[in-house]
Amino acid sequence: QQQVKQSPQSLIVQKGGISIINCAYENTAFDYFPWYQQFPGKGPALLIAIRPDVSEKKEGRFTISFNKSAKQFSLHIMDSQPGDSATYFCAASYNNNDMRFGAGTRLTVKP
Amino acid sequence: EAQVTQNPRYLITVTGKKLTVTCSQNMNHEYMSWYRQDPGLGLRQIYYSMNVEVTDKGDVPEGYKVSRKEKRNFPLILESPSPNQTSLYFCATHKDAWGEQYFGPGTRLTVT
Repeated sequence: QQQVKQSPQSLIVQKGGISIINCAYENTAFDYFPWYQQFPGKGPALLIAIRPDVSEKKEGRFTISFNKSAKQFSLHIMDSQPGDSATYFCAASYNNNDMRFGAGTRLTVKP
Repeated sequence: EAQVTQNPRYLITVTGKKLTVTCSQNMNHEYMSWYRQDPGLGLRQIYYSMNVEVTDKGDVPEGYKVSRKEKRNFPLILESPSPNQTSLYFCATHKDAWGEQYFGPGTRLTVT
């Protein structure tokens, strides 16, 4: 069964809006939580990552919020742009090995 | 330029015919991994390697083999491919336990 559950499967947002993607994990041994962005025909690329000793990490328009007690983390994309249209994957791992991915969220940002 | 290369990029084969997908990186990274990507399932790790001659099973290792005889190469071997191994395969590499994973461009495999 999937150790990392991601929602929603797809998301449509207007340009300038906020995109929010949620993930939940089961294994409390996980200590690394990255988000990957994938464009069609390309491999995933690291967007932003967080360790469980912080509750939030922000890089530009992208923010990860992390709730250790609830075993949940989320990606917020502020001021979403059409160029952000892609598939986003959350993941979790122990020591950056044995990586478990969510099923992915297809984001469409409408102009 | 830092690169992860995979060959071939596309492959159509028949059930039972052994095949190898190569992966090579020029970043001198210790860690390498193989993943398969299937619709609705995300990416699932097949095998990973923390160093030369050190490999370990990921989430879905059945039907696959790997070897790590030199740092830069990490081939994925399907001894007897079956149709359920039709998928998009990615090789990835990272420097250490805290490092970013870099993914290759993918190999689309179809087994008929």
